[in-house]
Amino acid sequence: GAVVSQHPSRVICKSGTSVKIECRSLDFQATTMFWYRQFPKQSLMLMATSNEGSKATYEQGVEKDKFLINHASLTLSTLTVTSAHPEDSSFYICSADRGGPHNYGYTFGSGTRLTVV
Amino acid sequence: AQKITQTQPGMFVQEKEAVTLDCTYDTSDPSYGLFWYKQPSSGEMIFLIYQGSYDQQNATEGRYSLNFQKARKSANLVISASQLGDSAMYFCAMREGRAVRGAGNMLTFGGGTRLMVKP
Repeated sequence: GAVVSQHPSRVICKSGTSVKIECRSLDFQATTMFWYRQFPKQSLMLMATSNEGSKATYEQGVEKDKFLINHASLTLSTLTVTSAHPEDSSFYICSADRGGPHNYGYTFGSGTRLTVV
Repeated sequence: AQKITQTQPGMFVQEKEAVTLDCTYDTSDPSYGLFWYKQPSSGEMIFLIYQGSYDQQNATEGRYSLNFQKARKSANLVISASQLGDSAMYFCAMREGRAVRGAGNMLTFGGGTRLMVKP
């Protein structure tokens, strides 16, 4: 149980185009979804927190107009990278908050490797 | 100040030996949780072990154990009998606040340790 499906796993896009990344909780309701970005050989950095039915909360330094997050249902959150540039190339990974005190509190998607050319 | 610090960027261990990966944390919240994740080259985050701030005993999960020293604010991961498949990045992470669904308590990650197991 507790699966988060993230798609696509890899995407290559041209500069200036937009890319949408989906995270779907398959067997539970994800009230809160976290979006992280990971540059090569670095740690995961939180970009934003999205709650179902409300606006996302962005971390300092993350442009909300560039990284659009939509959490329209309890099972789906999307991250759209708008007008992508090569510096947006990174590994993006979502994590759903199931609540509860133990390991099933957070379930990660499998990540999306974005390359902007 | 860094909330989670992993001081070992890279480590080697001989196959079948034990290895300890260091993690120290900083929080003033009495309620928190500490997690260890393994990230292979594929990028997925694999949960290994969890320790709650009020847990009296050190957590264990198979070959993984967590050496929790609350006063020192350390939560080191011990991997016993290392296997070649253990070669990966390992991240220590912390959730501050109680584990309440929808509370929005995100995980903060340390910088990671790359573990390489030698045959």
